[in-house]
Amino acid sequence: EDQVTQSPEALRLQEGESSSLNCSYTVSGLRGLFWYRQDPGKGPEFLFTLYSAGEEKEKERLKATLTKKESFLHITAPKPEDSATYLCAVQARGSSASKIIFGSGTRLSIRP
Amino acid sequence: NAGVMQNPRHLVRRRGQEARLRCSPMKGHSHVYWYRQLPEEGLKFMVYLQKENIIDESGMPKERFSAEFPKEGPSILRIQQVVRGDSAAYFCASSRAGTMNGELFFGEGSRLTVL
Repeated sequence: EDQVTQSPEALRLQEGESSSLNCSYTVSGLRGLFWYRQDPGKGPEFLFTLYSAGEEKEKERLKATLTKKESFLHITAPKPEDSATYLCAVQARGSSASKIIFGSGTRLSIRP
Repeated sequence: NAGVMQNPRHLVRRRGQEARLRCSPMKGHSHVYWYRQLPEEGLKFMVYLQKENIIDESGMPKERFSAEFPKEGPSILRIQQVVRGDSAAYFCASSRAGTMNGELFFGEGSRLTVL
């Protein structure tokens, strides 16, 4: 069964303190791994798609990487506005968008 | 605002009543997805629709839940005879086609509270 596990559930950092969020996945052939950001009371906002092991994507202070079993979202010198829940999701090869499976997310809090 | 529009944002119902949640996709998008999110849990897929067609309803409970996306007007998720366990945030997402890169555009959600 396709599955996504994110860790830690919650992470509190000081402003400027870099760290990484983990997303472990099992899927019967990966079509794509996706990262979303969700602010409280809002819908998720798409960040990245990664397709194959070794691929990396960057956006401002965020960098996503992918291996055959997990993905990391690295946050460099975070700011308070980076506080949000970060969701990881996977889609199996040959499946439709309805088969995108989301993890439970990591709640990131950045203290000024 | 050309984003995905959901209404109502908040809905309170008593047990046994009906809840109707509406979703207007982004302009130019013909694919709609409904998800449910419980506190501390991830998004759970419910149903995937194109105009006038249900493509995949494998995540939707067989009883009390139904969804439609008519030729004209918004997509509607209908929950009949609500129970307390239906309390959750319901998110709608849309895409232009069956998204190839995983990019779904989400609305801000409808939060249902069942008393």
